[in-house]
Amino acid sequence: QKEVEQDPGPLSVPEGAIVSLNCTYSNSAFQYFMWYRQYSRKGPELLMYTYSSGNKEDGRFTAQVDKSSKYISLFIRDSQPSDSATYLCAMNSDTGFQKLVFGTGTRLLVSP
Amino acid sequence: DAGVTQSPTHLIKTRGQQVTLRCSPKSGHDTVSWYQQALGQGPQFIFQYYEEEERQRGNFPDRFSGHQFPNYSSELNVNALLLGDSALYLCASSFDRGGETQYFGPGTRLLVL
Repeated sequence: QKEVEQDPGPLSVPEGAIVSLNCTYSNSAFQYFMWYRQYSRKGPELLMYTYSSGNKEDGRFTAQVDKSSKYISLFIRDSQPSDSATYLCAMNSDTGFQKLVFGTGTRLLVSP
Repeated sequence: DAGVTQSPTHLIKTRGQQVTLRCSPKSGHDTVSWYQQALGQGPQFIFQYYEEEERQRGNFPDRFSGHQFPNYSSELNVNALLLGDSALYLCASSFDRGGETQYFGPGTRLLVL
């Protein structure tokens, strides 16, 4: 079993839709949770960074962490064609020092 | 403020050869991590360098080695290349004091023929 599970998609939605992306994990030591966006043949770009449980909002993006269920989510409101990319969840037990453990990534396609 | 930079952007090698990839961290960062991303997969941790020493290592063979220089830049070396080493190699930098996560460079795409 992988430490982090993520549905690879693709997830296809029309422009303006609310998108929900999710990851589950098995290691209860994880404390820091990140979402990265990766365009084709580019490096991952940090979108959201959350410590422990709770919600964090930044513009059209909301990250949720439920440590009791070992489940994290990223919501994208008013999705745009420019949001079409692969979204990677990542987590570790200590920021900076420890390795990041990634999910497989979910490919999102937003059609005009 | 320059972000993480990597060179070269693309590289083609043949089996058995050796390759060196380079990374300059984001300004103010002192820790460099290397990841391998196969097509359709998430990045896999190779190792992390801090204070010019390898601090943590993932599940990669000794063919993968690295170095960090006094200016915090880093190199990844892969010896005896295999077809399966074809991947996007990503460098990420961070600040050891904590409070920040890892920021990635654009990657080096390696093709082994």
